[in-house]
Amino acid sequence: DAKTTQPPSMDCAEGRAANLPCNHSTISGNEYVYWYRQIHSQGPQYIIHGLKNNETNEMASLIITEDRKSSTLILPHATLRDTAVYYCIVIYNQGGKLIFGQGTELSVKP
Amino acid sequence: NAGVMQNPRHLVRRRGQEARLRCSPMKGHSHVYWYRQLPEEGLKFMVYLQKENIIDESGMPKERFSAEFPKEGPSILRIQQVVRGDSAAYFCASRQGQGATEAFFGQGTRLTVV
Repeated sequence: DAKTTQPPSMDCAEGRAANLPCNHSTISGNEYVYWYRQIHSQGPQYIIHGLKNNETNEMASLIITEDRKSSTLILPHATLRDTAVYYCIVIYNQGGKLIFGQGTELSVKP
Repeated sequence: NAGVMQNPRHLVRRRGQEARLRCSPMKGHSHVYWYRQLPEEGLKFMVYLQKENIIDESGMPKERFSAEFPKEGPSILRIQQVVRGDSAAYFCASRQGQGATEAFFGQGTRLTVV
C-alpha cells in the first residue's frame, strides 16, 4: 500500500505556481520522498526527490516539513504541458520499489 | 545516453497466445522494475530484478507471468496464455543501483488481447 496521501485533483492557472501537497505521516528516518508525474498515458517521469532538506532543480522545488510528515511540490510557473497526474512516493533508500498511490490530477487552465 | 527502451510499443495477441515484452535499461543500470497499468487505473508494481536475480516478485500474478533479466540482453516480461484481462500498459523502469537514485521509466508496451 502507498504510504502517502494526496488530494485527488487540483486546478491551477497557467503561469501561476502550482503547490501540490503530500502527507506521509508514517515516514521513517531513512526513507526518501520522491515525486513523479504521468502525462496522459506516457511513462512516469521523475521530477525530484529529497530526504530532509528542501531541494530544487530545473523542473520544480520540494519543500519538506521539519518533522518530515508532509511535503509540497512546487511548480513555479505552471504551463498547460504540466497537466498530469502527480505522484508522491516514499521509499527506503536501498533499492526500494516505487509504490504508486492515486496521485493528484493537476489541471492547468489558460 | 538513450533512455529506457521498451518494445514493442503496441502488441496485439489473441487469447491463449504468449506475449513477450522487452525492456532495455539505461546504460549502467542494473536494477529493473516492471509495472502494469490497467485502463483508467493506477500503476501497480509487479516485479523487481537485478542482473540474473529476481529480488521482489510480490506483485506478480501467481500463474502465467514470469520475468527475467539475463546477464546479457534486455529484461523480458512473459505472459503465457493471455486473457482479455491482461490488456494493459506495461511499464519498465531502471535504476542505477541501491541508494537514493532515481528510477527512469520507458514509454511502455500497450498489450491488447483480442
